[in-house]
This record gives sequence, C-alpha cells and structure tokens, in this order.
Amino acid sequence: EPEVTQTPSHQVTQMGQEVILRCVPISNHLYFYWYRQILGQKVEFLVSFYNNEISEKSEIFDDQFSVERPDGSNFTLKIRSTKLEDSAMYFCASSESGSTEAFFGQGTRLTVV
Amino acid sequence: QKEVEQDPGPLSVPEGAIVSLNCTYSNSAFQYFMWYRQYSRKGPELLMYTYSSGNKEDGRFTAQVDKSSKYISLFIRDSQPSDSATYLCAMRGTYKYIFGTGTRLKVLA
Repeated sequence: EPEVTQTPSHQVTQMGQEVILRCVPISNHLYFYWYRQILGQKVEFLVSFYNNEISEKSEIFDDQFSVERPDGSNFTLKIRSTKLEDSAMYFCASSESGSTEAFFGQGTRLTVV
Repeated sequence: QKEVEQDPGPLSVPEGAIVSLNCTYSNSAFQYFMWYRQYSRKGPELLMYTYSSGNKEDGRFTAQVDKSSKYISLFIRDSQPSDSATYLCAMRGTYKYIFGTGTRLKVLA
C-alpha cells in the first residue's frame, strides 16, 4: 500500500543550527503539507503546498521556515535557525486533490538542545 | 470559538463496549470529515473519510456527520485493547486539514 515516508525518524540538533526534514509523498498525490505536534498537544498546521508554491501557511510558519520540492519525489521542510521551542514531532502529509483525504507519514521527532 | 472542538478524555471502557467519540465544529462550509487514530509518537492513521452528512461504515467503525448540528461522531463496536489510542477528528478547510485536540481512549481487557 502506498505510504508517505519521512526521514530521519529522529534528529537531535543544537540551538541555532539549520535542519532539513525530508518527506516522500505518495506518488500520484499533488498536495503536500507539513504539520507539527508538540508532545501532548494537538496536531498543528504549518504549511500546504501545491503546484510548486505555498497555498497557505500558519502563523507558526515564520521566516525561519521554508519548504521545497527539489525534484519529482521529495518534499522538504527547512528550519533555518532552530530554537528550543521547535522541539516537536513534524509530520508530512499528502493528498491526491484538494477534496480528498490526507495520508500522514510516521513523523520526524526533532529535539533541539 | 474554536474551529473544531473535541473532548480530550481520557475515556476508559471495558473490552467489548461500544465507544462513541465526538467533535463539534463552527464553520458550516466544511464538507469533508475525517477520523484518524494516533498511537503514541506515531503519525495519524486514517480510519474514516466522509463527505457531507450521513453515515459510513467500515468493519467495526461507523462515522456519522450531522451538518445541521455541526457535529460528527465515530462509533467503535466490540472495542478491543488494541483500539487504545488517541482519536483525532479532522475537517478539510480551504488549503489545509484542521484537527481537533484528540480524545485518548483506553480499552481495558
């Protein structure tokens, strides 16, 4: 069964460092998303991406965040200068269209020390 | 008023019980509704997807949408200890999915 894959599963980084989280969406899907979940809290929307541009972003998605689809299969989230409060699970998701369900990856646990 | 409200629980039930999980929402424009199951430190796993009002059944799971009341439900029949997880409702907004806080369910053997 097709699935969204994310790498790495866990990343530890020092405060102020840049990190890139990687995702391979389901192959025929056209819409891509990043979500964040701080431990014990709700799943929060960060950004959606369609046709090589951002469709919508949340207040969390400030200038330190960026997304890219560098080739036909990968979708990345870059955090330029990590802060302690960026520690969370980051989930990538994809959907076939704007009116179908989203499928999520298993997440990258980011720990900023 | 929050866009999506969900009782966080926890909800504890004995094995074999019928479980009812619910969400309310405020935006009458929502048309697409989902239920996800999330185990600790794992990604949300899609359980049910429904469009507009009505019922949808899949095995032991039934999803109900009442758009007039802005209320959605997930019923789990013959609950099992393996159903112990957090259940998230979600609605499709314009360019995103909006999640409830999740309800923690524990099914006791």
